[in-house]
Amino acid sequence: AQSVTQPDIHITVSEGASLELRCNYSYGATPYLFWYVQSPGQGLQLLLKYFSGDTLVQGIKGFEAEFKRSQSSFNLRKPSVHWSDAAEYFCAVGTGTASKLTFGTGTRLQVTL
Amino acid sequence: GAVVSQHPSWVICKSGTSVKIECRSLDFQATTMFWYRQFPKQSLMLMATSNEGSKATYEQGVEKDKFLINHASLTLSTLTVTSAHPEDSSFYICSALPWLAGNNEQFFGPGTRLTVL
Repeated sequence: AQSVTQPDIHITVSEGASLELRCNYSYGATPYLFWYVQSPGQGLQLLLKYFSGDTLVQGIKGFEAEFKRSQSSFNLRKPSVHWSDAAEYFCAVGTGTASKLTFGTGTRLQVTL
Repeated sequence: GAVVSQHPSWVICKSGTSVKIECRSLDFQATTMFWYRQFPKQSLMLMATSNEGSKATYEQGVEKDKFLINHASLTLSTLTVTSAHPEDSSFYICSALPWLAGNNEQFFGPGTRLTVL
C-alpha cells in the first residue's frame, strides 16, 4: 500500500523568505503526485501535479515541486513567500486508473510579517 | 471550469438523526466521486469511492450501513450519515473525477462541516 510522509507538522517563515515543504512517498510503481493547499474551513486547491515527464513541475501561485525518484520525494518550493500563503499544505499520491489518493498528514505554514 | 459544489456547507443535527450531504460536479460529468473525512487538524481519510450506477466501494473500517452513498447520476453523489452520533462530527469533503480525464486529477468540493449534538 502507498503512503505519504510530511515530516514537518508546522513551519514558520518570514514574508519574502524562501520555502521548502518536504514530502516523501512510498509506492511500488511510478506514482501520480500532488500538492494541495487548504485554507481554514475550505476544501482543497490543487497547486501542482506530477504524472510523468519533466521532474520539475511548475504550479500556481509561484509554487514548484521536484520529483526525485531516487529519494522518493516530491518537495514543494517557493522562492518568496507571501502572507497569503499561510495555510495547510497536503502532499498526496495517487495510484491506478481510479486514482485513489493517499494524503500526508499536512504541514501548517505560518507566515510572519 | 471543473467546479464541484457541496450542500450544505455546514449542518448541525441531533444525535440519532440522519443527515444527507450532496456533492455535485457543476460543469463536467464524473463517473467516479470520492468521499473523504477530515478530523480537526488532521489529514483527509478516504472513506469510499462512488461510481455512477453501481455500489460504492468502502475503505477498510468504514461502516457502509452508517455512511450510505448514492451516485445516481453523472453529476451527483450523496452521502447520508445515518443515526448520527457526536463521534461522526467531522469535515466531509467530496471530490470528482472527470469522465474524460486522461490525467486522473480529482476536483474537490469545499467541504461540509457536520456537528452532531
